[in-house]
Amino acid sequence: EVQLVESGGGLVQPGRSLKLSCVASGFTFSNYGMNWIRQAPGKGLEWVAYISSGSSYIYYAETVKGRFTISRDNAKNTLYLQMTSLRSEDTALYYCARSDPAFDYWGQGVMVTVSS
Amino acid sequence: NIVMTQSPKSMSISVGDRVTMNCKASQNVYNNIAWYQQKPGQSPKLLIYYASNRYNGVPDRFTGSGYGTDFTLTINSVQAEDAAFYYCQRIYNSPYTFGAGTKLELK
Repeated sequence: EVQLVESGGGLVQPGRSLKLSCVASGFTFSNYGMNWIRQAPGKGLEWVAYISSGSSYIYYAETVKGRFTISRDNAKNTLYLQMTSLRSEDTALYYCARSDPAFDYWGQGVMVTVSS
Repeated sequence: NIVMTQSPKSMSISVGDRVTMNCKASQNVYNNIAWYQQKPGQSPKLLIYYASNRYNGVPDRFTGSGYGTDFTLTINSVQAEDAAFYYCQRIYNSPYTFGAGTKLELK
């Protein structure tokens, strides 16, 4: 059974950093591109970042480019999102999802709240 | 950057009705579109990929169509469990932009 489990969320002050993790199981993680998607409270889905299976291709949404860094460790079956210079508008539920190329498996999400 | 425009924003439908919702891309995306269903408190679920391919286990009352810039998700004989938000998304090429969603409510 495919599982994606996010962690690392919490309350953080504006301007600070936070690192999210997503542990994958039930499939060969190193064969798939992975994504982060976020959803602000009561809002729609916003794609955040993509990383290819071997980390050769990385793409970001314009809203996070230069502040967020996506990475992966295929030996640990883990996807990461390093978030810096956090703003109130980054407050959201953050999901990781597998690309095939549609997003066929999603985690349950981890909440990030940016507030002083 | 590409914009995905969904319409209507919401609709109220009776069980057994046929529903059609739309997704318009600001540029040609060929058939590189997916549709997702999201119920309150749940993660999104993939329904349709490459515009018209039903994902594993998705009931055949869900049908996707379209090519280029205009796409449609049709639900035949809506069931009570279909009440949800529906999102279209550009896939295959970055940015993987989502539409703002259509809320489907049951009367």
